[in-house]
Amino acid sequence: NAGVMQNPRHLVRRRGQEARLRCSPMKGHSHVYWYRQLPEEGLKFMVYLQKENIIDESGMPKERFSAEFPKEGPSILRIQQVVRGDSAAYFCASSPNRGTNTEAFFGQGTRLTVV
Amino acid sequence: GNSVTQMEGPVTLSEEAFLTINCTYTATGYPSLFWYVQYPGEGLQLLLKATKADDKGSNKGFEATYRKETTSFHLEKGSVQVSDSAVYFCALSHGGSQGNLIFGKGTKLSVKP
Repeated sequence: NAGVMQNPRHLVRRRGQEARLRCSPMKGHSHVYWYRQLPEEGLKFMVYLQKENIIDESGMPKERFSAEFPKEGPSILRIQQVVRGDSAAYFCASSPNRGTNTEAFFGQGTRLTVV
Repeated sequence: GNSVTQMEGPVTLSEEAFLTINCTYTATGYPSLFWYVQYPGEGLQLLLKATKADDKGSNKGFEATYRKETTSFHLEKGSVQVSDSAVYFCALSHGGSQGNLIFGKGTKLSVKP
């Protein structure tokens, strides 16, 4: 059973371009969470999705950021018109359900660099 | 609101030294508490957790006890190894899924041989 897979591991974009980050949850997991880790900071929650639904997007910036988790395929975090301040590590986690005693497993992250 | 505060790093220790990384939290209700470890270039791995007051989480020689009276969850290890060098994050879940976590800023540990 493969773990949470994120790709690409490293992504370089010029200012103004779009960044698309992919997350394939563990097999049997239908809940996905995205986090952003700025340099020297802890992880900040961005969005929580269940298949085809956004459950909680309270941590998402209001502009340029969007996320989806379609019925088939990976979850996508999309950043339009990237700026230098978007440079960070973006982590995805998945869990099989929403239970408070259910562990979430993290991927290895995508490190986005905006030049 | 809910928050986690952990001691600033970096922490540098010699092999076999005793480790304590302090973590305190602010939360309404009864959160679950976690320690995650991040090795260089890697994602986060759950190290240990505790879901109610006075619970002790333990794994790989690390321990932490959920202290409601002091709102703390300090991480300890009696004898660190070079391979323990990593960044350690304290976190809490505030009533929802364990995937929706509030993290501290992390403490970088370097263990010298």
